[in-house]
Formats: sequence, structure tokens, C-alpha cells
Amino acid sequence: GQSLEQPSEVTAVEGAIVQINCTYQTSGFYGLSWYQQHDGGAPTFLSYNALDGLEETGRFSSFLSRSDSYGYLLLQELQMKDSASYFCAVNSGNTPLVFGKGTRLSVIA
Amino acid sequence: DGGITQSPKYLFRKEGQNVTLSCEQNLNHDAMYWYRQDPGQGLRLIYYSQIVNDFQKGDIAEGYSVSREKKESFPLTVTSAQKNPTAFYLCASSIGGSENSPLHFGNGTRLTVT
Repeated sequence: GQSLEQPSEVTAVEGAIVQINCTYQTSGFYGLSWYQQHDGGAPTFLSYNALDGLEETGRFSSFLSRSDSYGYLLLQELQMKDSASYFCAVNSGNTPLVFGKGTRLSVIA
Repeated sequence: DGGITQSPKYLFRKEGQNVTLSCEQNLNHDAMYWYRQDPGQGLRLIYYSQIVNDFQKGDIAEGYSVSREKKESFPLTVTSAQKNPTAFYLCASSIGGSENSPLHFGNGTRLTVT
């Protein structure tokens, strides 16, 4: 089976940096994806890591350590509009994504 | 603009009635998916289809049915056998055939059964 663990809630101050962690257990692993979902909206794809290391896309970065079965999403220069839920998801090849339960990020002034 | 359309956005039904949720995509994607989302929960897979006229059960398929007669369409029927159908339902599609095919989601249908 597959399982993912991520914190249920995180609060951070506008302009700051926040890290959302994700640990996973899976029988097969190709990569780790991250999605953002605003309340009542559609999840949108943020990033994908197949190899160890850090991938940077603007204010967002994502990290993967395959040996530790661990990844994180790093959000810099936080803005109020970043308040949303963030989901990590495991890609196991030819089967659909398996999602974590999500981390609700609240950005405060 | 290409995308995924789910309709309606809100749906209300009486217990014991079957209801069908629509999902249409014009992205020319081969794979389509249905996920269910409950408050504070992640997305749980109901059914998926990687090609027309073929589909597979996901983790929580009981009480649901699907069809994939056209590439563009993947309707989900919530039957009266589904014990707790009130939820937010999300349809998604992907190019398929690659482990790095991001999912494109529709805006969801919020179903309330009373």
C-alpha cells in the first residue's frame, strides 16, 4: 500500500518562508508531486521531483530525498494569496497519483 | 481555451436516488479520473480510465459507476448504494503514459444528499 504524511495545518507571516514536509511509504516510487488548492477550487499542479535535490520555480521550491522517503515544499516571500491547502502526491508509475491529506497554510499579516 | 468542465457546480438529491455527475475535457487527454474530497481529507480515487471503453476501480469505488464511451467524457454515477455520498467530487485528466503527467482538474461538483 501507499501512505503519505504531512502536517494538517501551518501558519506563517506574510513575507516569511514556510516549509511543508511530506513523508511517504510506497511499494513503488517514481516521483513526488505537489498541488495547491484554494478553498472550494480545483487543485493545480505546482511541481514534480523524480530525482534527489531541489527544484526551484519562482517563489516555490520542492525538495526530494528518495533515500529518506521525504520531500518538502518551500514557499518564499509569502503572500496572502498563498493561503491554501497543499497536497503532496506519489507517482508510482502507471497507476494514478496517491494524495496526502493536505496541509492548510494560513498566511497572516 | 482547453480545460475540464464539471457540471453542475452544486447538486442536491434525496437519499435513494441515483445521480450522474458530468465531466468533459477538450485537452485531448487519454486518461481521466474521479476523486472524492471530504473536509480535512485528501483526494481519494474513485475510478480512473486510461483509454476509451476501459476503466478501473480506485480505492473507494463501491457505490459508484462510470462509463468512458468517448475520449472527452467520463461521467460518474453516484448510486443509492453509496452510504455517504455527500462530498466534493473532482474530475481530472492527464496526458497519460508518463509518470510525470500532471493532473488537470475541473472545478468540482459539490453533492449534497439529504
